[in-house]
Amino acid sequence: KQEVTQIPAALSVPEGENLVLNCSFTDSAIYNLQWFRQDPGKGLTSLLLIQSSQREQTSGRLNASLDKSSGRSTLYIAASQPGDSATYLCAVNPDSNYQLIWGAGTKLIIKP
Amino acid sequence: NAGVTQTPKFQVLKTGQSMTLQCAQDMNHNSMYWYRQDPGMGLRLIYYSASEGTTDKGEVPNGYNVSRLNKREFSLRLESAAPSQTSVYFCASSESRGLGQPQHFGDGTRLSIL
Repeated sequence: KQEVTQIPAALSVPEGENLVLNCSFTDSAIYNLQWFRQDPGKGLTSLLLIQSSQREQTSGRLNASLDKSSGRSTLYIAASQPGDSATYLCAVNPDSNYQLIWGAGTKLIIKP
Repeated sequence: NAGVTQTPKFQVLKTGQSMTLQCAQDMNHNSMYWYRQDPGMGLRLIYYSASEGTTDKGEVPNGYNVSRLNKREFSLRLESAAPSQTSVYFCASSESRGLGQPQHFGDGTRLSIL
């Protein structure tokens, strides 16, 4: 059974630092992996989607990498800002079906 | 840009009461989803609808029913609410399910069952 883990559950860093959020999954047979952002009291916003054939995706200050063989993905945030404070969730899509398997998220706080 | 709209935003029910959570999307998406989010856990899929006229069970369907009213609307019904159904409910939509399209989420309904 596919399981997705995000460690740590919470992270606090000073503004301006580069940081990495981690996502691990137990079964390397995935169709794609997605990173989402969730602001308090809000829904989720899709940040990046990496297909299984890709190694990384970039959007602005965000870069997501995927290593299927080791069951890991990282979300790199460059030059962090207070506005980046949110909970970041990753989810894997096993074999193009409908059911995303979600991690519990990492709550990120960027201190001014 | 409305995107995915959920109503109501908050609701308190007594055990045994029924209610329907409404969801509508204006992006002409084919697929729609209902999730629940509980503290310290990832989202869990309750039901999904790949296209208008079809619905399928997800990971945790017990105690819920859904209706895909038309392409825009997908409702979730609790027939007899239980305290274990206290949660935040999210509706999402995507262009299709087969190509791993990103899902777009509403702001959620915070439901408490007393």
